[in-house]
Amino acid sequence: GQQLNQSPQSMFIQEGEDVSMNCTSSSIFNTWLWYKQEPGEGPVLLIALYKAGELTSNGRLTAQFGITRKDSFLNISASIPSDVGIYFCAGPKVDSNYQLIWGAGTKLIIKP
Amino acid sequence: EPEVTQTPSHQVTQMGQEVILRCVPISNHLYFYWYRQILGQKVEFLVSFYNNEISEKSEIFDDQFSVERPDGSNFTLKIRSTKLEDSAMYFCASSYSEGGPQYFGPGTRLLVL
Repeated sequence: GQQLNQSPQSMFIQEGEDVSMNCTSSSIFNTWLWYKQEPGEGPVLLIALYKAGELTSNGRLTAQFGITRKDSFLNISASIPSDVGIYFCAGPKVDSNYQLIWGAGTKLIIKP
Repeated sequence: EPEVTQTPSHQVTQMGQEVILRCVPISNHLYFYWYRQILGQKVEFLVSFYNNEISEKSEIFDDQFSVERPDGSNFTLKIRSTKLEDSAMYFCASSYSEGGPQYFGPGTRLLVL
């Protein structure tokens, strides 16, 4: 079935560094969503992408919808301690407008 | 900023007991969802609800599960006879449009003993 593969699984970085993570699939997605989840909290929507090639920013976050529609990346510039959390990509299951398929997440840890 | 709210934040129950998890979606949203996340695993879709009926459900959403919108603001998930493997975080979400971005609540952590 459809799967989203996220990499890396985790990242240990210094405060102030830029971060890049990506999400790939063997099947096409028409929408890519990036969420952040902090411990004990629900996923918070960061960026939604709807068109191949689309590049969208939200503050220090930038995400792109890959041209092939099989991948997306999320960049965080100049990381700060509150960026710590797990970042998930998600997209609608084929033939569904409701059911989101989720990646396994990229855990971001920032060394002080 | 409007947000999805969920109650309770934590629920501990005995195996075989019924639980009802409650959600208040964002007020002008029309589509409602339940997801669950077993500790350390991916978020999994359970069910979507629109116009007072289930629009889609996953294999996880068996006869033990039901959803209801009892009034104009609440959206509930009932698990009729809980099993140990139902222990998870349960997230409610809502969206304004079909296929639109889904906004999640903070979750209910359910522990079945």
